[in-house]
Amino acid sequence: EAGVAQSPRYKIIEKRQSVAFWCNPISGHATLYWYQQILGQGPKLLIQFQNNGVVDDSQLPKDRFSAERLKGVDSTLKIQPAKLEDSAVYLCASSLEQGDTYEQYFGPGTRLTVT
Amino acid sequence: GNSVTQMEGPVTLSEEAFLTINCTYTATGYPSLFWYVQYPGEGLQLLLKATKADDKGSNKGFEATYRKETTSFHLEKGSVQVSDSAVYFCALNGHAGAGSYQLTFGKGTKLSVIP
Repeated sequence: EAGVAQSPRYKIIEKRQSVAFWCNPISGHATLYWYQQILGQGPKLLIQFQNNGVVDDSQLPKDRFSAERLKGVDSTLKIQPAKLEDSAVYLCASSLEQGDTYEQYFGPGTRLTVT
Repeated sequence: GNSVTQMEGPVTLSEEAFLTINCTYTATGYPSLFWYVQYPGEGLQLLLKATKADDKGSNKGFEATYRKETTSFHLEKGSVQVSDSAVYFCALNGHAGAGSYQLTFGKGTKLSVIP
């Protein structure tokens, strides 16, 4: 079974530029998550989708971050414009359904450096 | 809100030593509890989980017991190996409001095992 795919793996941009990350979840998984992991910290949830609808985006900085999952499968996360403090690893995860007992499977992440 | 506190690292042990990584949590209701592991250069992987009080999760020689009375989920292993060197994250999956569930992570504990 293929895991969660993410691209690119690494990205370096200057502040005020824009960047987009792509995620393809495990086939059949209805729930998709984007996390931000700053160096030395645990991942923090940015947004959660159930199929193509948003379940929770309360921690997404909506003035600069946006995300979509148009067909209920793959997803993109965009930052525009980027700030220095956005330097982090962006993790995508998926689970069969939403709920406290469903395991989340994580992709390898995209390491973003903003200079 | 929900939160997870785990012992700070780094932790350095000799091979075959006993390992304990402490984890305590604060949550509304009765969350599920998880330990995730991140090996160097790899993504987050689920190590073990427990979904209700007094459950014991176990995998690869690691164990953790869900203690509701002390709100704890300490990770233990009787004899660590060099290959166990990684960052370990304690996490809970609990209600985040509006019918959604959210995975909340601790800051992670880096373990280094030396021969």
